[in-house]
Amino acid sequence: EAGVAQSPRYKIIEKRQSVAFWCNPISGHATLYWYQQILGQGPKLLIQFQNNGVVDDSQLPKDRFSAERLKGVDSTLKIQPAKLEDSAVYLCASSLLGGSGGVGTDTQYFGPGTRLTVL
Amino acid sequence: AQSVTQLGSHVSVSEGALVLLRCNYSSSVPPYLFWYVQYPNQGLQLLLKYTSAATLVKGINGFEAEFKKSETSFHLTKPSAHMSDAAEYFCAVRFTGGGNKLTFGTGTQLKVEL
Repeated sequence: EAGVAQSPRYKIIEKRQSVAFWCNPISGHATLYWYQQILGQGPKLLIQFQNNGVVDDSQLPKDRFSAERLKGVDSTLKIQPAKLEDSAVYLCASSLLGGSGGVGTDTQYFGPGTRLTVL
Repeated sequence: AQSVTQLGSHVSVSEGALVLLRCNYSSSVPPYLFWYVQYPNQGLQLLLKYTSAATLVKGINGFEAEFKKSETSFHLTKPSAHMSDAAEYFCAVRFTGGGNKLTFGTGTQLKVEL
């Protein structure tokens, strides 16, 4: 079974530029998550989708970050404009369901991440 | 407030020695608990999870963890460390009423020495 795919793996940009990350979840997984992992910290949830609807985006800096999941499969996370403090690894995860089916179906599987450096 | 704490940002053990990584949570209701491992330049891989069944949970690669409600802890152990265990380990908690949102600890970097 193919895992969660992410691209690009690495990205270096100047501050105030824009950047986009792509995620393809495990086939059949209804729920998709974007996490931000700053160096030395644990991952922090940015946004959670159930199919193509947003479940939780309470920690997404909406003035500069946006995310979409068209057709309930792939997802894109965008930063515009980027700041120095956005330097981090952006992790995408997916789960079969999103909290209603018990932990067996809610286990999150993570992709390899995209390492963003903002100069 | 609900939170998760990992004591010790760096742990160093000798090959063959016991591995003990500590995780404590703060919640009035026992949550679901997870341990993930992250190798350099890779995503997080699930080691094991506690789902309110058996309190002693066995995971992959010889790791296990014990849920202790009285201590609000979920420490990760392995009887004998191997060089390949060197990685960063994250404790994560799914609090009741939080949907499927995971709250992660700050991680513990495990170093295994010869």
